[in-house]
Formats: sequence, C-alpha cells, structure tokens
Amino acid sequence: SQQGEEDPQALSIQEGENATMNCSYKTSINNLQWYRQNSGRGLVHLILIRSNEREKHSGRLRVTLDTSKKSSSLLITASRAADTASYFCATADRGSTLGRLYFGRGTQLTVWP
Amino acid sequence: DGGITQSPKYLFRKEGQNVTLSCEQNLNHDAMYWYRQDPGQGLRLIYYSQIVNDFQKGDIAEGYSVSREKKESFPLTVTSAQKNPTAFYLCASSLGDEQFFGPGTRLTVL
Repeated sequence: SQQGEEDPQALSIQEGENATMNCSYKTSINNLQWYRQNSGRGLVHLILIRSNEREKHSGRLRVTLDTSKKSSSLLITASRAADTASYFCATADRGSTLGRLYFGRGTQLTVWP
Repeated sequence: DGGITQSPKYLFRKEGQNVTLSCEQNLNHDAMYWYRQDPGQGLRLIYYSQIVNDFQKGDIAEGYSVSREKKESFPLTVTSAQKNPTAFYLCASSLGDEQFFGPGTRLTVL
C-alpha cells in the first residue's frame, strides 16, 4: 500500500529551536495531513494541505507541499518540551476510497528543556 | 481524544482465544476505521466502514473481523487466525477529510 515516508526517523533539539520534518509520497494525492501522537495515545490532527495549495500555517506550524517532487515538510517554530511526540504524515490518494488515509512511519521528535 | 472511546485500554489474552475490542463515537460520523500500530511503525489499516451495515477490508484484514450494526459502534474482533496479534489498536472516525482517533487499546497475547 502506498505510504508517506517521513525523514528523519528521529530528531532531537533544544527548546526554542525550530524542528523540520519531511514527508515523501509516491502517487497523486487529494490532500496531505499531519498528525501528532504522544506516547501510548491516539493521534491528533494538526493540519491539512490540499493538492492545489503550496503552503499553510496554523499557529507555530507551517506546512509546505511540492506536488512536483511529491514531498511535504512540517516546520514547528520555537519548539517547546511539550512538542515532544511522534509526527506522522498521511496522504489521501487520488482515486482511492474517499476518506481513506495512508500513513508514514513517523518522525520521533524530542525537545529538551 | 475527542468523542471516540475505546475499551479496554489494556487487554491480555491467551493464544488461541478470540477477543473483541470496542470502539464507540458520539460525533455522528459516518466513516469509521481500525488501524494496527506496531512499535516504531506507522498505522496500517485493518478494516473501514463508510456507512452502517457496510465495511471493507484494509491492507491487513486477515485474522480480523468487524461489524457495523450501529452508526456509533464499530467493534473489532481479533481471531485466533491472526498470527501475531500483539499490537496497539487505534480506532478512528471521520465526516470529511480529517480523522479523529480514540485513545487506543494495547492488546498483549500471552
């Protein structure tokens, strides 16, 4: 099954620094979404970007999408210890069942105080 | 975790036993999903349902079964045919593009 692939697998930074995570995918998409998962918990939706959009902001989050390169990036600015979590990209593939998402393996972000 | 509940949070079963995981939502969402997550892995889709009394296999449906008799409920049964059932199971629901997740059930088969 088609999946996004996040890079890096793990990222460790100090509070106040910016964190950038990347996602690559293989097929045409309708939209790409980013989710966050705290250890042992369910996922929480962060932001959605549609295939005709190039950039989107939500608070300290900035997402970009380059459909020609089939890639997306998630930037968290001025990170906090509370941002420590796993971050997953998920694609809604064009031609796939409406609502179905394909998830990547995630990036584990650790923010040190 | 929104309006989706999963129970129990932890579940232990002996090998060879069937076990049913509960998923209930009060968000009035039409679509519901079951995912499996293994350590360090992403989510893999087991089954999904877009409407009551209808469901489709996902990528790893073998050894699992579901039912969708009510809009609010989408229980997952892990059968003895599932070769490696120990995992973290997540249920989700959606009305549009965004999915809302429950807190998960960690199943350990001894």
